[in-house]
Amino acid sequence: DSGVTQTPKHLITATGQRVTLRCSPRSGDLSVYWYQQSLDQGLQFLIQYYNGEERAKGNILERFSAQQFPDLHSELNLSSLELGDSALYFCASSVEQGTNEKLFFGSGTQLSVL
Amino acid sequence: QKEVEQDPGPLSVPEGAIVSLNCTYSNSAFQYFMWYRQYSRKGPELLMYTYSSGNKEDGRFTAQVDKSSKYISLFIRDSQPSDSATYLCAMSGFRGGATNKLIFGTGTLLAVQP
Repeated sequence: DSGVTQTPKHLITATGQRVTLRCSPRSGDLSVYWYQQSLDQGLQFLIQYYNGEERAKGNILERFSAQQFPDLHSELNLSSLELGDSALYFCASSVEQGTNEKLFFGSGTQLSVL
Repeated sequence: QKEVEQDPGPLSVPEGAIVSLNCTYSNSAFQYFMWYRQYSRKGPELLMYTYSSGNKEDGRFTAQVDKSSKYISLFIRDSQPSDSATYLCAMSGFRGGATNKLIFGTGTLLAVQP
């Protein structure tokens, strides 16, 4: 168990809908990262937060947004969902903002858009 | 062309075999190289981390980096059925700073047959 908790584990929704994925980082970790994993694209970095502030952005669509709250948990909001948004969404955490090599991943949220 | 290329497999080997997993990359700025293991329906977990060129050994696992050829490898000795998983290479050009973008390969599915 990595100590990173993601909810829900599975989400089934329809096109055009909006969903929120939740992540609780490991105790003491200040950085939260969101990744999207699909069969054809692999793991794609979406966005990173450090202690409540956005630190880096990757291939995140404008329809997607995220935030990190004072208690350090994070939420990823996906809106106007399309079929192509179906994927596994992972949250990862680390102690510092610059520690690439020690990312701890949650078990992911499997999103299915029908 | 993707920045990181990895053969998706699947790779099937008998128990006890030596396994060789590889990635090639195109960005000469990459300095940090990692291997993650991902079991089915789980998040990736860090296996090995290497800086620049050279070898690193940890138990049955050896990571090699050849920056001149832009080629990295993971060797697994005395492979076990419990090693059956997807292995993802990952790399980054940064340590510290605001950009913590790990680039992942798409993963190689390994099956070790008892």
